[in-house]
Amino acid sequence: QVQLQESGPGLVKPSETLSLTCTVSGDSINSYYWSWIRQPPGKGLEWIGYIYYAGSTNYNPSLKSRVTISVDTSKNQFSLKLSSVTAADTAVYYCARLDSAGDYFDYWGQGTLVTVSS
Amino acid sequence: QSALTQPASVSGSPGQSITISCTGTSSDVGNYDLVSWYQQHPGKAPKLMIYEVSKRPSGISNRFSGSKSGNTASLTISGLQAEDEADYYCCSYAGSSTYVVFGGGTKLTVL
Repeated sequence: QVQLQESGPGLVKPSETLSLTCTVSGDSINSYYWSWIRQPPGKGLEWIGYIYYAGSTNYNPSLKSRVTISVDTSKNQFSLKLSSVTAADTAVYYCARLDSAGDYFDYWGQGTLVTVSS
Repeated sequence: QSALTQPASVSGSPGQSITISCTGTSSDVGNYDLVSWYQQHPGKAPKLMIYEVSKRPSGISNRFSGSKSGNTASLTISGLQAEDEADYYCCSYAGSSTYVVFGGGTKLTVL
């Protein structure tokens, strides 16, 4: 059974960089696409971006200038960095696996709340 | 404002059927048979219920079904049960740049 677990600081100051890591267990990261999705409190889901294990990435155009997703295959992990954060970036951040066809999210982490506040 | 439009809420009594609509455009829902639906209980991660418009993952009840007509996709839940009460989100592939877009979510209340 594939399991994903997000980790990282729960509080980030405005203008700083949000950094999260997703650890994958039960499957090798050396296949599929791996994605980040966020959900502001009380609101809907927003796709942030994905990375393929080989390193190719694709980002939401609305966040592209601030987002970097990277992968560490030796640790079976992938990571998210979001720069110049504001209160609008406060959200639950989920990591998820895209299926082999790359068009739906079949496994999700439990999510981690990141609050942007001074 | 979400890219895909869903009703904010729907409700039904146990045993009844309900349908949740998801309206997009010819650039997403209307152009690809790549619509998925997710169920989210409070404080939990979303769970895949339907993919590629009408396919059910292993373990998902056949009470859940999906369809699409033009720019609108639909999720139907038959034989409503109390545990179906949750938020439901649709998602569509929207091309290699935008990639995927989500609906704003629909809160299902089982009366």
